Amino acid sequence: DTGVSQDPRHKITKRGQNVTFRCDPISEHNRLYWYRQTLGQGPEFLTYFQNEAQLEKSRLLSDRFSAERPKGSFSTLEIQRTEQGDSAMYLCASSSRKDNEKLFFGSGTQLSVL
Amino acid sequence: DQQVKQNSPSLSVQEGRISILNCDYTNSMFDYFLWYKKYPAEGPTFLISISSIKDKNEDGRFTVFLNKSAKHLSLHIVPSQPGDSAVYFCAASAILTGGGNKLTFGTGTQLKVEL
Repeated sequence: DTGVSQDPRHKITKRGQNVTFRCDPISEHNRLYWYRQTLGQGPEFLTYFQNEAQLEKSRLLSDRFSAERPKGSFSTLEIQRTEQGDSAMYLCASSSRKDNEKLFFGSGTQLSVL
Repeated sequence: DQQVKQNSPSLSVQEGRISILNCDYTNSMFDYFLWYKKYPAEGPTFLISISSIKDKNEDGRFTVFLNKSAKHLSLHIVPSQPGDSAVYFCAASAILTGGGNKLTFGTGTQLKVEL
């Protein structure tokens, strides 16, 4: 039983660089979500895909952030011109048609911007 | 504006006793409530959920109670075990375009179960 897989687990980058994270959802799940979590806070919603369509984006998602889900399978989240305030854990989650209120999360990518 | 609040940052209980974690919310439009457990450096793990039309849901040692009039829910763990030590997040679900679910999380409660 493979869960949600995220790569890389950790990323250290310098301010101004671009970074890209990958998420592979549970195979039969049609919905995919990106969340961000900072220290002492709960995860915050960033964006959501149903199959390949990006249907909602949070106002937290600035123009420097872009997410894709080509062919409705894996997803990528790219951050351009990273800032120190982007340092956080980026979490991907997926859900099925049957129990779509239950989101299953990956282990996350911990981003540190120096 | 924090729509989901967990006012206790930490809770310590003895092994075998009951752990009660609390959560308050402000938005009456939430349709599901969920509890997640999180270990350091891992993503949240789904524990148990409850529909807004129910007042109780039980799964093994875990029971969630929902009081809609008070906009309050609680998670009961009995008996508590050392392996239950983790951060517990309360989350409330609202429907998104296309039928997805946006979860709004509280800030978490660190549970420590002592021997």
